[in-house]
Amino acid sequence: EPEVTQTPSHQVTQMGQEVILRCVPISNHLYFYWYRQILGQKVEFLVSFYNNEISEKSEIFDDQFSVERPDGSNFTLKIRSTKLEDSAMYFCASNPSGLVYNEQFFGPGTRLTVL
Amino acid sequence: KNEVEQSPQNLTAQEGEFITINCSYSVGISALHWLQQHPGGGIVSLFMLSSGKKKHGRLIATINIQEKHSSLHITASHPRDSAVYICAVGGIESNFGNEKLTFGTGTRLTIIP
Repeated sequence: EPEVTQTPSHQVTQMGQEVILRCVPISNHLYFYWYRQILGQKVEFLVSFYNNEISEKSEIFDDQFSVERPDGSNFTLKIRSTKLEDSAMYFCASNPSGLVYNEQFFGPGTRLTVL
Repeated sequence: KNEVEQSPQNLTAQEGEFITINCSYSVGISALHWLQQHPGGGIVSLFMLSSGKKKHGRLIATINIQEKHSSLHITASHPRDSAVYICAVGGIESNFGNEKLTFGTGTRLTIIP
């Protein structure tokens, strides 16, 4: 069964460093998302991506964040200068058509720890 | 902005008990998702509902669009059902077609053998 994959599973970085989180969505899906979950809190929407551009972004997704789909298979989230408060689990998800009536398929997550 | 509330926040039950988890939201939606999050953190989609009721095995999900409320039921609960159950809504009434999900805080379910 097709699945969304994410790498790495755990990333530890120093404050101020750049990190890139990688996702491989399901191949025939058209919409891609990043969500994050700070420990003990609810999952929050960061950004959605369609047709090689951002479809929507939340207020969390400031200039320190960027997304791209460099090669038609990977979907990456970059944090330019990490802060302590960026420590969280980051989930990638994909959706066949972007409609909310479709199931969203989540990756296993990347746990980011900023020291 | 849609507010999604779940109750209870924590639920402990004996194996075999019937479980009900509730979700309420503040703004009309196109679809509601029930998700399961295991201790390792991974999220699995259980149901997507836009109306009525769905059943998968021992899991049943219902939604009342007029009352902006959904319930997830687990029959004959088992220790392997122990997880966090999350309600998420999409397609806010004022912007149908918006594909992002807004999540509730989750219900931590523990089933004791």
